[in-house]
Amino acid sequence: GENVEQHPSTLSVQEGDSAVIKCTYSDSASNYFPWYKQELGKGPQLIIDIRSNVGEKKDQRIAVTLNKTAKHFSLHITETQPEDSAVYFCAASSYGKLTFGQGTILTVHP
Amino acid sequence: KAGVTQTPRYLIKTRGQQVTLSCSPISGHRSVSWYQQTPGQGLQFLFEYFSETQRNKGNFPGRFSGRQFSNSRSEMNVSTLELGDSALYLCASSLVAGGGEKLFFGSGTQLSVL
Repeated sequence: GENVEQHPSTLSVQEGDSAVIKCTYSDSASNYFPWYKQELGKGPQLIIDIRSNVGEKKDQRIAVTLNKTAKHFSLHITETQPEDSAVYFCAASSYGKLTFGQGTILTVHP
Repeated sequence: KAGVTQTPRYLIKTRGQQVTLSCSPISGHRSVSWYQQTPGQGLQFLFEYFSETQRNKGNFPGRFSGRQFSNSRSEMNVSTLELGDSALYLCASSLVAGGGEKLFFGSGTQLSVL
């Protein structure tokens, strides 16, 4: 089955800095790659997603890049704000199943 | 527009008991998926239902089962509870069936097995 590895497990940045989270996947059949943000006491919330036929997608301060050859994809957050502090999960969809990475705890210090 | 609603929010059970969790999807969403979240294993896919039919299933034992009703509401049942079943159980709904696309998650049911 699919295996998704996510790094780093924790990330601490100063407000205004950029944050980058990286994921690798194992199944070349995976064709959909979402990113979720989970705040304390809440369920994950979809923040951006990308399909395998697209290399990059941007939504305001958030961008995702995908390298199908290397089987890795990354989340980029620019101009970080304290409210960006949360746990971020990457995921890959293969044969109708979504496999999540282990999560990254992002802390943005004011 | 109301989000995904899961009940109850918290549950405490003892080993050997069974439990039923409920999920009401966003209005108009016909796909409902269930996930188990634990600190050690992370988020793991349990199963997906669409139009009352199970479309996909994760690698969990048969003690974990689910169903979906004609109004798209879904229930998940765990029988013969074990200590390792303690987890946050998340339900997600989507307009699209299969592939885990555009999932909207509820806040989950926190199950503690003593």
